Amino acid sequence: QVQLVESGGGVVQPGRSLRLSCAASGSTFSNYGMHWVRQAPGKGLEWVAIIWYDGENKYYSESVKGRFTISRDNSKNTLYLQMNSLRSEDTAVYYCTRGSPIRGMDVWGQGTTVIVS
Amino acid sequence: DIVMTQSPDSLAVSLGERATINCKSSQSLLYNSNTENYLAWYQQKRGQPPKLLIYWASIRESGVPDRFSGSGSGTNFTLTISSLQAEDVAVYYCQQYVSPPPYTFGQGTKLEIK
Repeated sequence: QVQLVESGGGVVQPGRSLRLSCAASGSTFSNYGMHWVRQAPGKGLEWVAIIWYDGENKYYSESVKGRFTISRDNSKNTLYLQMNSLRSEDTAVYYCTRGSPIRGMDVWGQGTTVIVS
Repeated sequence: DIVMTQSPDSLAVSLGERATINCKSSQSLLYNSNTENYLAWYQQKRGQPPKLLIYWASIRESGVPDRFSGSGSGTNFTLTISSLQAEDVAVYYCQQYVSPPPYTFGQGTKLEIK
């Protein structure tokens, strides 16, 4: 059973930084691309970033480009999201998801909440 | 960027009746190399993360009841629930994953019981 568990959320002041983690188990983490997706309170889903299975390629939404950095440590089966210069509009539940080129986002974590205030 | 637009924004259907949700993309989601449409549908119940229902526009994810079906090609897609059950109350999202990122979502459709 594949499982993704996010951590690192919390309350942070505008302009400060936070690092989210996502621990993967139950599958070969290094075989898959990984995404971060966020959901602001009462709003829809917003794709944030993707990192290729080997970490070589990374892409970001325009809303976070230059402020957020996605990374991974395949030896630790862990995905990260470094969030700098946080803004109130970054307040959301952040989900990590496993990316499949065929099936889209086939496994989701439970999410971790970030509040910028 | 590809824009995904769902309709309607909300929908109320009686138990046992058919529910239909539409999704339109601003560009074709058909990938010429394999003639598949890179369109997924997700279900999100209150307080839970999204769950993959359909990929490649019409392929049900393992374990998804067969009352859920996806159809469409190019820029127009549909999610159909053939006989609505109480446990199907949720928000449904379409998402494209054909292009280089961003992998955009539709705005969501809230499905309720009439």
